[in-house]
Amino acid sequence: DTAVSQTPKYLVTQMGNDKSIKCEQNLGHDTMYWYKQDSKKFLKIMFSYNNKELIINETVPNRFSPKSPDKAHLNLHINSLELGDSAVYFCASSLLAGDNEQFFGPGTRLTVL
Amino acid sequence: GNSVTQMEGPVTLSEEAFLTINCTYTATGYPSLFWYVQYPGEGLQLLLKATKADDKGSNKGFEATYRKETTSFHLEKGSVQVSDSAVYFCALSEQGGSEKLVFGKGTKLTVNP
Repeated sequence: DTAVSQTPKYLVTQMGNDKSIKCEQNLGHDTMYWYKQDSKKFLKIMFSYNNKELIINETVPNRFSPKSPDKAHLNLHINSLELGDSAVYFCASSLLAGDNEQFFGPGTRLTVL
Repeated sequence: GNSVTQMEGPVTLSEEAFLTINCTYTATGYPSLFWYVQYPGEGLQLLLKATKADDKGSNKGFEATYRKETTSFHLEKGSVQVSDSAVYFCALSEQGGSEKLVFGKGTKLTVNP
């Protein structure tokens, strides 16, 4: 009964490929997030959805496209992968958009070769 | 823009030593402040928070006080344990609807027996 789950845990792929990372939360939260953590552990928000609607979209290349089929899921699609996309991607959720206690998934380590 | 600066790591201590991890912030308005902890191989977990000046957050023996006059939120623990080994992130919330979290760069703590 994991609260926030992500698949896959590890993803190794070639430059130019398209890949997806899935995230699901069973906490009944309205808001979900994607974060990128680089090799120096720096964590930066990418996107946030509240009840399937995009509310935060940082300056992320449009090769990255989040999709929220329902409020329990927020998937991240990445097209034309580049070396610089290698990082750990964390999904998170919170009860409301204004609730700062965020619950994080275990992360997906993406390696682009 | 808003930012969080925390002391560079890594920090290595012996068990039962006193811990301080410094965190200062730059923000407009009155942000809420947080410490998150990331244990090896896991996602981030909220450790403690404070929502207004002079509030003290505490959890698991850790404490931090919201100091508006010095724009600081230093994390302290009187006696660390090996199990406290982790990366610690200071964060603030940006107010204005989205309540976006802005993280510091993280401080890795290693506690030796």
